[in-house]
Amino acid sequence: DAMVIQNPRYQVTQFGKPVTLSCSQTLNHNVMYWYQQKSSQAPKLLFHYYDKDFNNEADTPDNFQSRRPNTSFCFLDIRSPGLGDAAMYLCATSRDLIGNTQYFGPGTRLTVL
Amino acid sequence: AQTVTQSQPEMSVQEAETVTLSCTYDTSENNYYLFWYKQPPSRQMILVIRQEAYKQQNATENRFSVNFQKAAKSFSLKISDSQLGDTAMYFCAFMLLNAGNMLTFGGGTRLMVKP
Repeated sequence: DAMVIQNPRYQVTQFGKPVTLSCSQTLNHNVMYWYQQKSSQAPKLLFHYYDKDFNNEADTPDNFQSRRPNTSFCFLDIRSPGLGDAAMYLCATSRDLIGNTQYFGPGTRLTVL
Repeated sequence: AQTVTQSQPEMSVQEAETVTLSCTYDTSENNYYLFWYKQPPSRQMILVIRQEAYKQQNATENRFSVNFQKAAKSFSLKISDSQLGDTAMYFCAFMLLNAGNMLTFGGGTRLMVKP
């Protein structure tokens, strides 16, 4: 089945230790998104890629970076995780940028010790 | 800027009964899309239903239907014959046409279906 896959599902890191989260998709969609979701809250968009064009949300901290080496994969790098970065991180895709439904992956739950 | 409001943080319903989740939004634009997403506990967020603002007919997907009132800027979700598997967080979301495909989410409604 075509889908959005996130690895790992659960990630534990130490305060200040860089961590990378992975997302892949078999939908061949042009757009990939990264969201941060804290407990019982709505997802908050961090950034998105349209093909290789990177678009950062204005309030996304510099601590968060992203890479998209090809259409299928997108990575979220947290350079120096703080306790406040503990959250669920959701990856989503859409075919394009005009009225297209976003499809979400299962998420990676990040714990910062 | 667009805003989405879900006024019911938590709701419960008995199995097999019907429940309606409310959503209102604020926009000055005319061309947009509305979505309901379901996020079960520790599970993936999935699309429940999608409505194009230019369509007057309310969208339906099996037991899920919406009441879209464009003038009132209201987009409620009705779940008929509730099942235990409907227990989840439900998010209403808004997307402007030709504005980068970005979703504006409401705060969510936690629905508990009781046996």
